[in-house]
Amino acid sequence: DTEVTQTPKHLVMGMTNKKSLKCEQHMGHRAMYWYKQKAKKPPELMFVYSYEKLSINESVPSRFSPECPNSSLLNLHLHALQPEDSALYLCASSQDSGKGQPQHFGDGTRLSIL
Amino acid sequence: AQKITQTQPGMFVQEKEAVTLDCTYDTSDPSYGLFWYKQPSSGEMIFLIYQGSYDQQNATEGRYSLNFQKARKSANLVISASQLGDSAMYFCAMSFPKESWGKLQFGAGTQVVVTP
Repeated sequence: DTEVTQTPKHLVMGMTNKKSLKCEQHMGHRAMYWYKQKAKKPPELMFVYSYEKLSINESVPSRFSPECPNSSLLNLHLHALQPEDSALYLCASSQDSGKGQPQHFGDGTRLSIL
Repeated sequence: AQKITQTQPGMFVQEKEAVTLDCTYDTSDPSYGLFWYKQPSSGEMIFLIYQGSYDQQNATEGRYSLNFQKARKSANLVISASQLGDSAMYFCAMSFPKESWGKLQFGAGTQVVVTP
């Protein structure tokens, strides 16, 4: 079991739906991350939150909207997604976003867009 | 621009043998961090080992060791005494202060299959 919990594990949604992915950690980490991973490819960074403030947005389309309600929670709100957005979405956390801090990942949410 | 190369797309290794996974990189930055992650078919990314570019000694964590050759820009992962549970995709990743220490950039990965 990982210390970063992601829900749901699987999600199927239509292109007009609105849904949210959730991520929770209780390690006292102050940096949290969202990654997108397509099959047989490495993860690609989407967003970084540091001390609950958005510090990196890797030019992600606005149909993905991150939110960090507190230091333990990270959400990714989804709206009007496209079929190419089907992927594994990984959440990670680290002590902070400084040098040498390993990121600890959750099991991911497998998202399918119909 | 930084580039991370894992030249071995896949490899088979026999149980109890050692295996070396290659990772080379191209950067002009003197300061960087090197990470190795394991991703089983279940999807979770598991942190294995870290090496800082200024660290004098090669990192070791249990059966994992990192063969860091800074001049050659190489950071190979060595797994000793392979186990069936080591079957997974292995990613080399790096971060740089100029872009943000928190921004991990991954290589393409190497798929390892451990056979009995």
